[in-house]
Amino acid sequence: KAGVTQTPRYLIKTRGQQVTLSCSPISGHRSVSWYQQTPGQGLQFLFEYFSETQRNKGNFPGRFSGRQFSNSRSEMNVSTLELGDSALYLCASWDRAALGAYGYTFGSGTRLTVV
Amino acid sequence: AQTVTQSQPEMSVQEAETVTLSCTYDTSESDYYLFWYKQPPSRQMILVIRQEAYKQQNATENRFSVNFQKAAKSFSLKISDSQLGDAAMYFCAYRSMNRDDKIIFGKGTRLHILP
Repeated sequence: KAGVTQTPRYLIKTRGQQVTLSCSPISGHRSVSWYQQTPGQGLQFLFEYFSETQRNKGNFPGRFSGRQFSNSRSEMNVSTLELGDSALYLCASWDRAALGAYGYTFGSGTRLTVV
Repeated sequence: AQTVTQSQPEMSVQEAETVTLSCTYDTSESDYYLFWYKQPPSRQMILVIRQEAYKQQNATENRFSVNFQKAAKSFSLKISDSQLGDAAMYFCAYRSMNRDDKIIFGKGTRLHILP
């Protein structure tokens, strides 16, 4: 089985721009979560999607949004970028029926740098 | 709210020796999952071992084992016969068994393997 694929791997954007990150989950997984990882704050939860519906949302401003498509692929969007949005963005997919057995499978992340 | 605490920001161990990484968590729930994830410089989070709270037996995966003390809310990871490839950031994580909850990560422990 192919793993979780995140694109792009690296991104450099200017303050005020917007960005879209993509995540393709493991085939058959309908649950996708997004996390922001920074040295200071660690791993912080952004959103969780299941079957195209947002099931949970973290404590982030409205500039951060996401969606999930019918094929389970997910995108997250950050508008009006700020320097503090520079981070590694990680996507994870999992099978709700097998969470205890296999946990979440993470992608390699997208490293976003805002200048 | 649930929290996960890793009290050791960094640790070092001699190659072939044994090391134990500490993790404590706080929750009022009785049913949950606990995980240890490894994040090498490649950035991808890799599941090392998982434990379901209702299982009393400690999980074991090859050289990796846990000491799960539910009453004490402790979930330490023991790595036996440490290898150079074990050098990474290790994250302890908690997830409720509620369907729409999120994984909560500790701040991580950076493990160095000394040749």
